[in-house]
This record gives sequence, C-alpha cells and structure tokens, in this order.
Amino acid sequence: DAGITQSPRYKITETGRQVTLMCHQTWSHSYMFWYRQDLGHGLRLIYYSAAADITDKGEVPDGYVVSRSKTENFPLTLESATRSQTSVYFCASRNGQVGNEQFFGPGTRLTVL
Amino acid sequence: GESVGLHLPTLSVQEGDNSIINCAYSNSASDYFIWYKQESGKGPQFIIDIRSNMDKRQGQRVTVLLNKTVKHLSLQIAATQPGDSAVYFCAENGLSGGSYIPTFGRGTSLIVHP
Repeated sequence: DAGITQSPRYKITETGRQVTLMCHQTWSHSYMFWYRQDLGHGLRLIYYSAAADITDKGEVPDGYVVSRSKTENFPLTLESATRSQTSVYFCASRNGQVGNEQFFGPGTRLTVL
Repeated sequence: GESVGLHLPTLSVQEGDNSIINCAYSNSASDYFIWYKQESGKGPQFIIDIRSNMDKRQGQRVTVLLNKTVKHLSLQIAATQPGDSAVYFCAENGLSGGSYIPTFGRGTSLIVHP
C-alpha cells in the first residue's frame, strides 16, 4: 500500500522490556521523524533522520534509539521501557529539506505497565 | 469560548459560523509555518502553509494570517462544518543544523455544533 504505515497500532508492554515501533513509507521521502503525543504537550520530536544512515536528536530523545539503514524504514526502539513512555507515537515523512508539509502515519498507542 | 490549563484550549462554534484559531510561535527566525488538522484516532493532516515572506495565504475555505511583528499565526475557517471538528496544530519550521525542524504548538480543539 502506498503511503506511510506504522506497526503495531497498539502495544502493551511491561517496565524494563525492549520495544520496537516500526515505520515504513513508500514515497522515498528523504526526511523521517518520530514524535510522541501526550495530553497537554502536543507533539514532541524524539528523533529525526535527513537520509539513510543520518539521524539526529529532537526535543525528547532520552530512552529512545533509532536507526535508518534504508530510506523507507525508520524504526524506534525503547531499550528499557518506563511508564513515562506510555504515549501515542507518530511517525512522519517529508520530501526534502525545505520546511513544507509532513505526512503522518496513523500512530501507535503504547502502554507501559 | 476558550479554556486553558492542562486541557487543550477549546473553541466551540455553531455550524455555518466562521472560526478563528490562534497560535503564538517563539522563534523569530522560523521561515515556514504549517497548520495541521488531527481528527480523533488519526495522525495530523496538512491544511495550509505560509512562508515568512507572506502575511496571508488562502486555500479552500481556510485562510492563514501571519503577523511576524508579534509572532502570531491564525487559521480562519469559513462556514465551519461539523466535519471540521478536530484538534488544530500550528507548526513553525526553523533551521537547525542545516535542516528545517518543526516545532508544534499545543493545539486547539474545535467543536462545531450542528
């Protein structure tokens, strides 16, 4: 399917476990982003990537790891999940460096018990 | 009216009215501004954008106004419809390390009453 997809859509895990959220886009957009969305905070940037093998920290990177070995995939890993990482996670992509529109995935709702 | 605090600011309007959603941004060097609409359970969707060398841009039923002097952005929706009910976010894009990186506002919840 064309577009940007995220998996899983829902995930429940326990404190201390490792969790990986997947993001895949079919447009070959150079930029990809990970956000978390919490009530009262809006969307906060975790990590972004300007191209394959190039990643950079956003506003709230602690506790998260990303990689981008292929242009179309941008997985986000929580190495040791904590309750404070319970959130809705959105992946987005953008075509190019210029600050034009991002295309968002449907989100992953993560609950850490 | 609007309410502030831990909850999102909320704007309630009647169907057919015009809606104005406001946003204050922080970085005077931001060059691109974008409005997104987020419906319940979905990811944000692009509505309209404006560059810093413009002060007004119109789309279909929407207008964005940019006031750089006071760092203020507004989204006007004409003839608001129930389908416009959603959370609206503004995003400013400023250069960071050679990339335009977006910063999102908290969002405003628009409720349209039929």
